[in-house]
Amino acid sequence: QVQLVQSGAEVKKPGASVKVSCKASGYTFTSYGISWVRQAPGQGLEWMGWISAYNGNTNYAQKLQGRVTMTTDTSTSTAYMELRSLRSDDTAVYYCARDYILESRWFDPWGQGTLVTVSS
Amino acid sequence: EIVLTQSPGTLSLSPGERATLSCRASQSVSSSYLAWYQQKPGQAPRLLIYGASSRATGIPDRFSGSGSGTDFTLTISRLEPEDFAVYYCQQYGSSPPNTFGQGTKLEIK
Repeated sequence: QVQLVQSGAEVKKPGASVKVSCKASGYTFTSYGISWVRQAPGQGLEWMGWISAYNGNTNYAQKLQGRVTMTTDTSTSTAYMELRSLRSDDTAVYYCARDYILESRWFDPWGQGTLVTVSS
Repeated sequence: EIVLTQSPGTLSLSPGERATLSCRASQSVSSSYLAWYQQKPGQAPRLLIYGASSRATGIPDRFSGSGSGTDFTLTISRLEPEDFAVYYCQQYGSSPPNTFGQGTKLEIK
């Protein structure tokens, strides 16, 4: 079955960087894209950006431009999201989700989520 | 950026009742590019509906989506105990892409 398995929880200090991984299985990785969505504690969903696993094209949310980088490793069917210059309001659960190959559309399925805590 | 406003914020109903959730966009959503998700506590969201009215794989037919332009609706025909959760709408295909509504909490009355 289609599955996305994310890396474990992280605790980071303000100003540091975090890199979350998302390993895909059960489908042809390069026939889809991956989006990243985050959810602050008790809050709603915020789309962070999308990467095509086919050609590496990316589209990032404007508010994160310059701080986020999304990449893929097609040899291991793994997507990565790196967020730099972390602040306390970056504390959230970060989800990866399978998306469309050529642009971002809907998300199905989702990974289990990775809690990133930013605290001094 | 398209802003999505969901109403009501909280909906209190009993199992067996019909639920109607609304999602209104600040401008027209092109090609009915609207999706609905269900999220239960401690879990990742699950896709229910895409393209405004197409059910995702494995979603029961008591879930249906409708609407176009700026007004969209998710209807659950007869509530089951497992349907009580938070529901989000999402629009895609615009520039900038992908915004979510703030969510509707469906709780047991």
